[in-house]
Amino acid sequence: AQSVTQLDSQVPVFEEAPVELRCNYSSSVSVYLFWYVQYPNQGLQLLLKYLSGSTLVESINGFEAEFNKSQTSFHLRKPSVHISDTAEYFCAVLKAAGNKLTFGGGTRVLVKP
Amino acid sequence: DVKVTQSSRYLVKRTGEKVFLECVQDMDHENMFWYRQDPGLGLRLIYFSYDVKMKEKGDIPEGYSVSREKKERFSLILESASTNQTSMYLCASSSNRGSGYTFGSGTRLTVV
Repeated sequence: AQSVTQLDSQVPVFEEAPVELRCNYSSSVSVYLFWYVQYPNQGLQLLLKYLSGSTLVESINGFEAEFNKSQTSFHLRKPSVHISDTAEYFCAVLKAAGNKLTFGGGTRVLVKP
Repeated sequence: DVKVTQSSRYLVKRTGEKVFLECVQDMDHENMFWYRQDPGLGLRLIYFSYDVKMKEKGDIPEGYSVSREKKERFSLILESASTNQTSMYLCASSSNRGSGYTFGSGTRLTVV
């Protein structure tokens, strides 16, 4: 069975500062990796995903994540955050031969002015 | 864009009531899922379905059942609501492997 660990439950950060959200997974088979964002009182929205190819993937709003197979990690980064990035972020793993996502526990990002 | 619609944003029900949460998707997705989300516990899978009339238990199916009579609709049923089922319920759907899920906006259920 696979598992996903998000090492930080909460990350406070000042506006325009960089942020990194850590995600590690364990799986004995090939996986696809996802980051989702949940704004207050909303459902989850797909932020970015890694399926294959380049290990660095980017979203349209400045986030990026790098797949590191040797360290089984998929950390999310943004070089300069905005107040509007305040949200909860979930890392998720899908077995390449499966159809069920496994989620991490979530990281709550609070951007302060 | 795929759209997943949950029929209610907020619901208040009494203990012992039978509760139906409805979810509809409009992109012909094969797979549909129900999660509950609680502070400190993340998302926990209740049930999922990979085809019409097919269902599988997730991690916490006790106290719940589901129905999928049509491909686009996946209903979650609380047979006899209890206060410990007060939670945010999220529906999701997916198609081919690797596409990830599309989520609805969630239903916040309060059982009093």
